[in-house]
Amino acid sequence: SNDLTQPPSVSVSPGQTASIACSGDPLGNEYASWYQQKPGQSPVLVIYQDNQRPSGIPERFSGSSSGNTATLTINGTQAVDEADYYCQAWDSWTYVFGTGTKVTVL
Amino acid sequence: EVQLVQSGAEVKKSGESLKISCQGSGYRFSTYWIGWVRQVPGKGLEWMGIIFPGDSDARYSPSFQGQVTISADKSINTAYLQWSSLKASDTAMYYCARQESTAARSRYFAFWGQGTLVTVS
Repeated sequence: SNDLTQPPSVSVSPGQTASIACSGDPLGNEYASWYQQKPGQSPVLVIYQDNQRPSGIPERFSGSSSGNTATLTINGTQAVDEADYYCQAWDSWTYVFGTGTKVTVL
Repeated sequence: EVQLVQSGAEVKKSGESLKISCQGSGYRFSTYWIGWVRQVPGKGLEWMGIIFPGDSDARYSPSFQGQVTISADKSINTAYLQWSSLKASDTAMYYCARQESTAARSRYFAFWGQGTLVTVS
């Protein structure tokens, strides 16, 4: 299967660490990317190639990968980080998006 | 500055045809793959397909193969997504995005259009 599975929701207190896992067969051979999407907005790339941060993305966003699981970590989570997050992999000319995780900052 | 500007919202009836557009600027349009992504209201992101404007080589997700057509006109830096017969289930936001590649096993979308909302009644 080339599905990518994420937890539906993650809750975190301001200043704490949020971690989102993404699991699936494509991640065994391909790099993971992560997108942030706020309501009414287009997705924004926050991590690519497992752990690379695009210009302009805060350092509190980081990524890692091991085996068939990639993880997005937000250190020192802020209220502005409340959003949906999607992982993504590319496998044999097919893009696969994860199921999405809603991060709530309580 | 890289920009992808999409055409405006559409309201159509079932059975009608539709073509939406995505115009790129700030870079050499013909040398980057452009993808299309669907988002049904309240749901996640779904990859539909991708096209290389330089030679109009298009690839489709199996889920969308035969349901839509992706094309491009490099002379006006524009990619298109079209339907020949819309269904109510096509109601969604549609995004175009530019593919980046920094490694052999890494493809991702760094730049996104603002989205085109298609409503089919």
